[in-house]
Amino acid sequence: SQQGEEDPQALSIQEGENATMNCSYKTSINNLQWYRQNSGRGLVHLILIRSNEREKHSGRLRVTLDTSKKSSSLLITASRAADTASYFCATDAGSGGSNYKLTFGKGTLLTVNP
Amino acid sequence: KAGVTQTPRYLIKTRGQQVTLSCSPISGHRSVSWYQQTPGQGLQFLFEYFSETQRNKGNFPGRFSGRQFSNSRSEMNVSTLELGDSALYLCASSPQGFMGYGYTFGSGTRLTVV
Repeated sequence: SQQGEEDPQALSIQEGENATMNCSYKTSINNLQWYRQNSGRGLVHLILIRSNEREKHSGRLRVTLDTSKKSSSLLITASRAADTASYFCATDAGSGGSNYKLTFGKGTLLTVNP
Repeated sequence: KAGVTQTPRYLIKTRGQQVTLSCSPISGHRSVSWYQQTPGQGLQFLFEYFSETQRNKGNFPGRFSGRQFSNSRSEMNVSTLELGDSALYLCASSPQGFMGYGYTFGSGTRLTVV
């Protein structure tokens, strides 16, 4: 079953613009992670935010987490053509700790046009 | 440092056959997880191993099995293959496999069942 649901399903922007993707989830989490996948290849870990954190930055990435709304957003600033990929949020949820698995959303396909 | 290595990269099997996929985690990582990715179901958790012990298993039939060796390398096996088993199988490793760590994914094994 899907825990996270990304919105939008697809996003097309011009190089230099910002891209924002949202993720909603259903149960309490230990942490939420964002991954990137280029065209059917492996996933690349981008950033992890713990349940007691509200915002985190990494380079051009900014992630927010609102546990009261069970939602997260990923902002990519000054997008480049190389950012074209699918982006997935994944939650690590377990009562009293991790259950050692990630539950992924269906992803947002980001296309950055040169 | 070497990443997560999955072999083979591509595989074509016939319905009813069995298949074994291999994953070598990053050196020092003791947790290995497996995920199945299909266009219809997205990314779904198969199982996770830590120090040769399965700590969690996803909702897959018993035809899907796995194991981990003392050097942390892992294999997954699918018996009596069905057409619906065609998917990208991804392996991920992490130091401990619990909160605070992201996962490093391999490039995957693309299995086609004909």
